[in-house]
Amino acid sequence: HSALTQPPSASGSPGQSVTISCTGTSSDIGAYNYVSWYQQHPGQAPKLMIYEVRKRPSGVPDRFSGSKSGNTASLTVSGLQAEDEADYYCCSDAGNNNFVFGTGTKVTVL
Amino acid sequence: QVQLVESGGGVVQPGGSLRLSCAASGFTFSSYGIHWVRQAPGKGLEWVAFIENDGSRVHYADSVQGRYTISRDNSRNTLFLQMNSLRVEDTAVYYCAKDLWYCFDFWGQGALVTVSS
Repeated sequence: HSALTQPPSASGSPGQSVTISCTGTSSDIGAYNYVSWYQQHPGQAPKLMIYEVRKRPSGVPDRFSGSKSGNTASLTVSGLQAEDEADYYCCSDAGNNNFVFGTGTKVTVL
Repeated sequence: QVQLVESGGGVVQPGGSLRLSCAASGFTFSSYGIHWVRQAPGKGLEWVAFIENDGSRVHYADSVQGRYTISRDNSRNTLFLQMNSLRVEDTAVYYCAKDLWYCFDFWGQGALVTVSS
């Protein structure tokens, strides 16, 4: 399975919103509602931010939201804060007990 | 609180072997599947392997199939990854991650594996 496609970078000023896209195929994102998103700060382990397309784990601010349309999923961060500056990765079930990650997006808070 | 602690990383020559461990605490280990996910230096995440809660099912990425073996000891709350025939391209930080129905809800801090001559 090829990696899901994400833009290399995205940016916004504090308080603004940024949306990251994650494009796959009809064999992964398009086939399953098992898209998740992870935040990774430099030198740290990834952290689950969104699962099953739009669900937020306990403790994740409601500024983070997820959606999906066809073969593309999206993560929106509203009300950007300095601590949101990080790398973000999407992930999808790819069938046959396989998982595929996105290429990653570096979010910069201007 | 959930804790996952990897160990066993290090430097190995191409063609060599290494065994990673992941010690779990803070949850009922025997009730959850666990994954291994890796990240090459400066690169993105790659799913590696999964084992069902009771060890009855295991699955591997094509890139490691036949070379890696995932296993677990529920009596010791520990996950393992036996890596054989290692290649330079296997160099990465290896994370163990707890399964939450098709995603990874808690991650360890990672163990660095370097394959180099």
